[in-house]
Amino acid sequence: ETGVTQSPTHLIKTRGQQVTLRCSSQSGHNTVSWYQQALGQGPQFIFQYYREEENGRGNFPPRFSGLQFPNYSSELNVNALELDDSALYLCASSPRGFNTGELFFGEGSRLTVL
Amino acid sequence: GQSLEQPSEVTAVEGAIVQINCTYQTSGFYGLSWYQQHDGGAPTFLSYNALDGLEETGRFSSFLSRSDSYGYLLLQELQMKDSASYFCAVRPSNNTNAGKSTFGDGTTLTVKP
Repeated sequence: ETGVTQSPTHLIKTRGQQVTLRCSSQSGHNTVSWYQQALGQGPQFIFQYYREEENGRGNFPPRFSGLQFPNYSSELNVNALELDDSALYLCASSPRGFNTGELFFGEGSRLTVL
Repeated sequence: GQSLEQPSEVTAVEGAIVQINCTYQTSGFYGLSWYQQHDGGAPTFLSYNALDGLEETGRFSSFLSRSDSYGYLLLQELQMKDSASYFCAVRPSNNTNAGKSTFGDGTTLTVKP
């Protein structure tokens, strides 16, 4: 286990609703990244947070937003849910400047939009 | 843009050796990582190459050729528990950590007795 925890593990929403997903990073890791993984695909980068500010964003619309807190934990918010938002949402943490390709992933939050 | 190509499926028998290839076309490249993901689980880091050549970690090795935009993951002495999806991922640049990596769509490895 990596020490990255996510909640909730599973949730079901309906189209148009809003969802908040939470992530606690591994101790000492000050950078948090969020990924969306659709069934049968690889994780897609949503955005990264460092020092409580967004520090890079992938090809996702503004209805995907996030926060990082002083203890480095993070939230992912998705507004106006669409059916295609159904996916596994993964949080990954790493220390800033960590000079390897290693990310520490949580188990993910599986979102189903009906 | 960024794109990574991996075979979608590979099947091998227990005790065998298998190679999973990854070719990439990216606007920035600093290193190539490999991750393993079991059904319903978190991706776990296996290996990383920033320089050309072979990196060995136990039964797993990873290779990179930057001039060919190509890498592979080699799994030796396959075990049933190695059945999983394997992803290559590109770290785009040096001025960030791996958190902005681009992932391939994964290779599903099935190990048969």
